[in-house]
Amino acid sequence: DAGVIQSPRHEVTEMGQEVTLRCKPISGHDYLFWYRQTMMRGLELLIYFNNNVPIDDSGMPEDRFSAKMPNASFSTLKIQPSEPRDSAVYFCASSDRGATEAFFGQGTRLTVV
Amino acid sequence: GEDVEQSLFLSVREGDSSVINCTYTDSSSTYLYWYKQEPGAGLQLLTYIFSNMDMKQDQRLTVLLNKKDKHLSLRIADTQTGDSAIYFCAEGGSQGNLIFGKGTKLSVKP
Repeated sequence: DAGVIQSPRHEVTEMGQEVTLRCKPISGHDYLFWYRQTMMRGLELLIYFNNNVPIDDSGMPEDRFSAKMPNASFSTLKIQPSEPRDSAVYFCASSDRGATEAFFGQGTRLTVV
Repeated sequence: GEDVEQSLFLSVREGDSSVINCTYTDSSSTYLYWYKQEPGAGLQLLTYIFSNMDMKQDQRLTVLLNKKDKHLSLRIADTQTGDSAIYFCAEGGSQGNLIFGKGTKLSVKP
């Protein structure tokens, strides 16, 4: 397996534009997590899914953020409209049910200008 | 709520031992983890410890767990310049998620 795959690796967009980040988890993993990493706040859990169902979205900062998992092999995190303070590295991770390890993707570095 | 605290920076000389400390709040966590993040990369699991263990050793890495004090530490023996990275402590949340600390940036001087 190629691991967790995120795209794009880098995204630069203008304030007010819609941004969509994509994630392909490891095949067979039941859990999928979206994290955001900034210098100020460290690594924050935004939302996670179990068997494609959102379990906890309390970390989603605002209504501008939304996440979907239409099937077991794909998830999106959308920001609409984007703002400069959304600039961060966004990580997707997946894990087995009961596993002791979450596998992380390489992250998407988002810059909103 | 669940929270994980760790110091932000640690600087050591090559060949010395590094000790990174962490405290956590959720006593029901089954596993506690150490992740490593190199510049520009994602997080990689280094090691983990089951909550009913006191110590786990894996080559140059030693994890100590004091469950009473909710204190976790990672010791890296014979620290090398390649060990320079950010190290994250994490506890398993009550519903399968991971709660991370803010990370400790380890700098290794030659």
